[in-house]
Amino acid sequence: GENVEQHPSTLSVQEGDSAVIKCTYSDSASNYFPWYKQELGKRPQLIIDIRSNVGEKKDQRIAVTLNKTAKHFSLHITETQPEDSAVYFCAAIPTDSWGKFQFGAGTQVVVTP
Amino acid sequence: DTAVSQTPKYLVTQMGNDKSIKCEQNLGHDTMYWYKQDSKKFLKIMFSYNNKELIINETVPNRFSPKSPDKAHLNLHINSLELGDSAVYFCASSQGAGTVPMNTEAFFGQGTRLTVV
Repeated sequence: GENVEQHPSTLSVQEGDSAVIKCTYSDSASNYFPWYKQELGKRPQLIIDIRSNVGEKKDQRIAVTLNKTAKHFSLHITETQPEDSAVYFCAAIPTDSWGKFQFGAGTQVVVTP
Repeated sequence: DTAVSQTPKYLVTQMGNDKSIKCEQNLGHDTMYWYKQDSKKFLKIMFSYNNKELIINETVPNRFSPKSPDKAHLNLHINSLELGDSAVYFCASSQGAGTVPMNTEAFFGQGTRLTVV
């Protein structure tokens, strides 16, 4: 199955600063790259996703970039706020995977005021 | 209305017991999953079903048996519970199209916190 490595495992940022989380994948057939946010005690929820036919996607303060050649993609959060504190998970889904959402290990983001 | 609902939310039980967790989705999705989230927050896929058929069965002990009576339900039965089974179990669903996989958003239930004592 797809092996997704996610770094860093924890990330502490000052409010207002930017946060970047990086994921690398191994299967070149991967074509769908979602990012999920899980707040403490809550369920994971999709915050942004990107498909392999685009290199970048942005939604307000969050953006995702994809480098297919290097097989890595990143989540960027600008102007971080305390409510951005959560665990973030990436995934890389191959075309024929039947939606096997095997996630990266997660990044605990802590935004300090 | 809750899109993916699972019950119970909390489950405390003794070692050796058998327990079930139920999951239902009202999104009309074809694919459903069970995940285990341990204390380190790692989300590990256990099973995946498409239209009531088992698609993915990761290396999960055979004490865990999923059952899908219809495509809107995927229940998880666990026999002979062990201390290491303590975790949060998440059910999820995503869209499919018959035999064609569609990689789209997965919707999660609220989770079931299982504690084995």
